[in-house]
Amino acid sequence: EAGVAQSPRYKIIEKRQSVAFWCNPISGHATLYWYQQILGQGPKLLIQFQNNGVVDDSQLPKDRFSAERLKGVDSTLKIQPAKLEDSAVYLCASSLDHSGAGGELFFGEGSRLTVL
Amino acid sequence: GQSLEQPSEVTAVEGAIVQINCTYQTSGFYGLSWYQQHDGGAPTFLSYNGLDGLEETGRFSSFLSRSDSYGYLLLQELQMKDSASYFCAVPNQAGTALIFGKGTTLSVSS
Repeated sequence: EAGVAQSPRYKIIEKRQSVAFWCNPISGHATLYWYQQILGQGPKLLIQFQNNGVVDDSQLPKDRFSAERLKGVDSTLKIQPAKLEDSAVYLCASSLDHSGAGGELFFGEGSRLTVL
Repeated sequence: GQSLEQPSEVTAVEGAIVQINCTYQTSGFYGLSWYQQHDGGAPTFLSYNGLDGLEETGRFSSFLSRSDSYGYLLLQELQMKDSASYFCAVPNQAGTALIFGKGTTLSVSS
């Protein structure tokens, strides 16, 4: 079974530029998450989708971050304009259902963003 | 809101046993999960405790006490490959996604 695919693995941009990350979840997984992981910290939830609807985006800085999950499969996360503090690994995860009741989260390898 | 506390670093030698503690504060509670993350890799699921007590999976065990808002991950017969970060996690207030602790970096030496 293929895992969660993410691209690009690495991206270096200058502040105020824009960047987009792509995620393809495990086939059949209805729930997709984007997490931000700053070096030395745990993953922080940015947004959660159930199929193509947003379940929770309360932690997403909506003035610069946007995400979509068209057709309930692939998802993209965009940052525009980027700030220095956005330097982090952006992890995509998927699960069969929501993960609150012990459902296992399957993570991708992440997209490492460096903002100069 | 939800919050978790775990030690930032733990060191041990091969063959030893190590315990990583996690205390949490939540409004509503659905269970405690543990994830492992090697440097540069993806977090991977280790265990889930929905009820009090010990869950054992090979060399790894996880414990939960809901009355104490406390859990731990026990790693036995440590191997070099166990050097990684370990995160405890609890559901968010809506119970739909996981909130992660800051992680404990385990270093295993020979």
